[in-house]
Amino acid sequence: QVQLVQSGSELKKPGASVTVSCKASGYPFTSYAMNWVRQAPGQGLEWVAWINTKTGTPTYAQGFTGRFVFSLDTSVSTTHLQISSLKAEDTAVYYCARGRPPAFDYWGQGTLVTVSS
Amino acid sequence: QSVLTQPPSVSAAPGQRVTISCSGSSSNIGNNYVSWYQQLPGTAPTLLIYDNNKRPSGIPDRFSGSKSGTSATLGITGLQTGDEADYYCGTWDSSLSAVLFGGGTKLTVL
Repeated sequence: QVQLVQSGSELKKPGASVTVSCKASGYPFTSYAMNWVRQAPGQGLEWVAWINTKTGTPTYAQGFTGRFVFSLDTSVSTTHLQISSLKAEDTAVYYCARGRPPAFDYWGQGTLVTVSS
Repeated sequence: QSVLTQPPSVSAAPGQRVTISCSGSSSNIGNNYVSWYQQLPGTAPTLLIYDNNKRPSGIPDRFSGSKSGTSATLGITGLQTGDEADYYCGTWDSSLSAVLFGGGTKLTVL
């Protein structure tokens, strides 16, 4: 069965970096696009980026260029979202989600990233 | 404030029908497919509807989607207490080259 399993919660100080990982299983990894969606505490969903898993080419939403890097390791069916120069407003649950935007048919369990001094 | 507008909350009694609207523009809903998601408390979202009106396997036919012009609607019939959740619409915006989500609608089953 299709599974997306994400790395565990992170507590970081402002200015630090964090990498959130998402390991896919149960399907041909390069047959589906992958996305990152975040949700700040008590807020709605916000799309961050998607990546073409065949070519490795990412596309970022406005406001997520520069500090956010979406990468792949196809050898282990894993995607990574690296966030640098963390700010308090980056505090959120980050979800990986499979599928062609905007139809995301499988989601990871979510990774809470907390940015606090 | 979201570009896609949803009512903050809707409510209805068990067994009844409810609709949730999602209003956008020609750059998003008007020319792109709409998806709908259900998010139960403390869990990841689940895809309910894609391509305006298609249901993934395993989603009951109590859930339906439609689109007209620059608005989309999610319908839920035979409401159950287990349907209490937040519901989000989502679509591609051709001007922004990005996925947009509505602000979410909290469904209460009285």
